[in-house]
Amino acid sequence: KAGVTQTPRYLIKTRGQQVTLSCSPISGHRSVSWYQQTPGQGLQFLFEYFSETQRNKGNFPGRFSGRQFSNSRSEMNVSTLELGDSALYLCASSNRSGTEAFFGQGTRLTVV
Amino acid sequence: GESVGLHLPTLSVQEGDNSIINCAYSNSASDYFIWYKQESGKGPQFIIDIRSNMDKRQGQRVTVLLNKTVKHLSLQIAATQPGDSAVYFCAENTGFQKLVFGTGTRLLVSP
Repeated sequence: KAGVTQTPRYLIKTRGQQVTLSCSPISGHRSVSWYQQTPGQGLQFLFEYFSETQRNKGNFPGRFSGRQFSNSRSEMNVSTLELGDSALYLCASSNRSGTEAFFGQGTRLTVV
Repeated sequence: GESVGLHLPTLSVQEGDNSIINCAYSNSASDYFIWYKQESGKGPQFIIDIRSNMDKRQGQRVTVLLNKTVKHLSLQIAATQPGDSAVYFCAENTGFQKLVFGTGTRLLVSP
């Protein structure tokens, strides 16, 4: 069974631009969560989607948004990029609440 | 507030030793805890989990202990190998798959 796939793996953007990251969950998994990982703040929860509905959201500004499609694939978007948005963005999928979440390799975003 | 912390940022052991990584959590309502291993350039890899109605769970070479009285979680790795070198995170599921992660402990295994 294929794991969680995130694309692209690496991305370089300029301040002020916007970016869209993609996540394909493990087949059959309906929950997709997003996390930001930085050396200073560690792993922080962004949001979680289940059956196209956002069920939970972390403490990030409105520039961070996401969505989930009917096939459970998810995208997250960051608008008006800031230098501080440089991070590893991780996606995790699970088949239901309260079960193990499996992570992808992440997308390394660098904002210059 | 929600927080999950680790006591030691770096743990150095010799190959063959047993390793113990500790974690403190603050949300007494959390009912599910997970340990992850993260190697350089990779996403976190699930190791083992435990629910709040248990105090111990064993896997292959790993054991997780949960002490709800003092809100403490630990990961024990038996016969630590060089391939175990990585950063280890504990995580607390606070609802709807929202995981609150600890700061991480780097495990260094010397041959």
